[in-house]
Amino acid sequence: GQQVMQIPQYQHVQEGEDFTTYCNSSTTLSNIQWYKQRPGGHPVFLIQLVKSGEVKKQKRLTFQFGEAKKNSSLHITATQTTDVGTYFCAARYGNNRLAFGKGNQVVVIP
Amino acid sequence: NAGVMQNPRHLVRRRGQEARLRCSPMKGHSHVYWYRQLPEEGLKFMVYLQKENIIDESGMPKERFSAEFPKEGPSILRIQQVVRGDSAAYFCASAKDGTLNEKLFFGSGTQLSVL
Repeated sequence: GQQVMQIPQYQHVQEGEDFTTYCNSSTTLSNIQWYKQRPGGHPVFLIQLVKSGEVKKQKRLTFQFGEAKKNSSLHITATQTTDVGTYFCAARYGNNRLAFGKGNQVVVIP
Repeated sequence: NAGVMQNPRHLVRRRGQEARLRCSPMKGHSHVYWYRQLPEEGLKFMVYLQKENIIDESGMPKERFSAEFPKEGPSILRIQQVVRGDSAAYFCASAKDGTLNEKLFFGSGTQLSVL
């Protein structure tokens, strides 16, 4: 079914470095949401982007929605061990169901 | 101030048995989503329900799986005649109105193991 595609699927990041994870759709999206799931935990909402070209920041996290509203990115600076987990993007499709990408599993190397 | 409650946390079933997973949404929420997650895989949408109504069940297998969200009580995901391939973590999430810009609140999940 319709789904957003996330790349990369896995990342190993040295503590202190920056990294980016991407989310792409073949169709224009009404909005995009980002969630984080810690190992052994459940997904927790991070942010929602609605407007074309929108950029939102949460401390070391920067979220961006593409101009065409078909892609989004999450950039984390100065990675910390607490950033470990899987980052999911999610988008609404028919019947307002929320479909998730496969996620980007991030491992932080101390 | 309870969040989304799922029970049981862990469920062990033998092949051919039935599994019933329960989800109580956050207070005031009338929309429930069920997702399945396999190890190191994403969240696969299964079904979206409003009280007494199935909105979208496009992600649910046609056989053996069913879901309900009655007027009173929790939402139930029911898997009949379980097979080993049903082993996974099942998460439910709730939303207040089911509107386009609403975020989901997830429960802690039920880990189903089929022996």
